[in-house]
Amino acid sequence: NAGVMQNPRHLVRRRGQEARLRCSPMKGHSHVYWYRQLPEEGLKFMVYLQKENIIDESGMPKERFSAEFPKEGPSILRIQQVVRGDSAAYFCASSSDRDQPQHFGDGTRLSIL
Amino acid sequence: GQQLNQSPQSMFIQEGEDVSMNCTSSSIFNTWLWYKQDPGEGPVLLIALYKAGELTSNGRLTAQFGITRKDSFLNISASIPSDVGIYFCAGRTSFGNEKLTFGTGTRLTIIP
Repeated sequence: NAGVMQNPRHLVRRRGQEARLRCSPMKGHSHVYWYRQLPEEGLKFMVYLQKENIIDESGMPKERFSAEFPKEGPSILRIQQVVRGDSAAYFCASSSDRDQPQHFGDGTRLSIL
Repeated sequence: GQQLNQSPQSMFIQEGEDVSMNCTSSSIFNTWLWYKQDPGEGPVLLIALYKAGELTSNGRLTAQFGITRKDSFLNISASIPSDVGIYFCAGRTSFGNEKLTFGTGTRLTIIP
């Protein structure tokens, strides 16, 4: 979907485990955004990163959630000690510059048992 | 935080009909985007609007950025089966604030 690659597409974890979601932006894009979507709802912003820097994390829970976008490799959204309420679809988007349209991947559907 | 109210929530139309949906906000937005999401997939960008009053077309789709900067509408002409899906508006409040605020979506169903 528009070249943004997310994996895995589906992830099942038990309560208390860690979830690691990966996102490779479109070629040439250095701005990455993570959103969460619950069923029948719109996407909610979590965090915005630009290579090696977190620019805006105002939508990300203060505990258990972290994100990184290293110089080499994909962006990672990490959820520690997952709980049932973390079950959702997590979408990554990328853009070529901060005022350019964001293009989305097909998401990772996280299910917590 | 900002909220985008999108209406209608769902639409049931016959193939060939025109469709209109809109999005309103309590805050001023400087960018409006319209996305379509199919089941199991991510949102796909349809149209981007950057200036108040701007009217932009993409094939059978037309969208406008409201003069007040608090609303936008999307029209689809002569609907076809592949138009089925959920349409989301999204806005950005200011340059330098890059996060998108999404509407609640309009689910479009085409009756055979």
